[in-house]
Amino acid sequence: DGGITQSPKYLFRKEGQNVTLSCEQNLNHDAMYWYRQDPGQGLRLIYYSQIVNDFQKGDIAEGYSVSREKKESFPLTVTSAQKNPTAFYLCASSMGVEAFFGQGTRLTVV
Amino acid sequence: EDQVTQSPEALRLQEGESSSLNCSYTVSGLRGLFWYRQDPGKGPEFLFTLYSAGEEKEKERLKATLTKKESFLHITAPKPEDSATYLCAVQDSGAGSYQLTFGKGTKLSVIP
Repeated sequence: DGGITQSPKYLFRKEGQNVTLSCEQNLNHDAMYWYRQDPGQGLRLIYYSQIVNDFQKGDIAEGYSVSREKKESFPLTVTSAQKNPTAFYLCASSMGVEAFFGQGTRLTVV
Repeated sequence: EDQVTQSPEALRLQEGESSSLNCSYTVSGLRGLFWYRQDPGKGPEFLFTLYSAGEEKEKERLKATLTKKESFLHITAPKPEDSATYLCAVQDSGAGSYQLTFGKGTKLSVIP
């Protein structure tokens, strides 16, 4: 089945640790995105990539890093510099206008 | 700056009671307006794209319409399985990428 796979579904991080969220797509989409969702807020863009080996900061990139070494993969690292990392993280991909989302990773700092 | 405002924040309907959700937007130029459905703990599921004022799209009990300032998602004779949060998003034609600006969503509950 074609789609976007995010893993893990749940992730727990101790303060001061870096963690990496995985996002893989087999839709052959050029563009990939990371959004963050908090209760009572709209989705906010963290990073996006329109092509392999190139990516741009979104509205809330501080404390996050990404890489795009393969077309299918766009991992997100939440670093210890991110002050409030507990949130629901969503990966999306698009070929043109319409974006399709994965099932999300819920990150909790313990 | 692009802005999207959805109302109401929450809506409770009896099964079969039709209603509408509103999405007001401000963009310098609209490339597209999108509706998604999101179930608790899941990623958004794509429903519709609208490109220009006057356009309408339908899917089962849902119908989306677009004007120059807002979009409506009409729900006809809803069923309990229509309960979800409905998200509206816009793409600005001036943006260098296809990034989306989202509203906060409308949480719909349909009571049997």
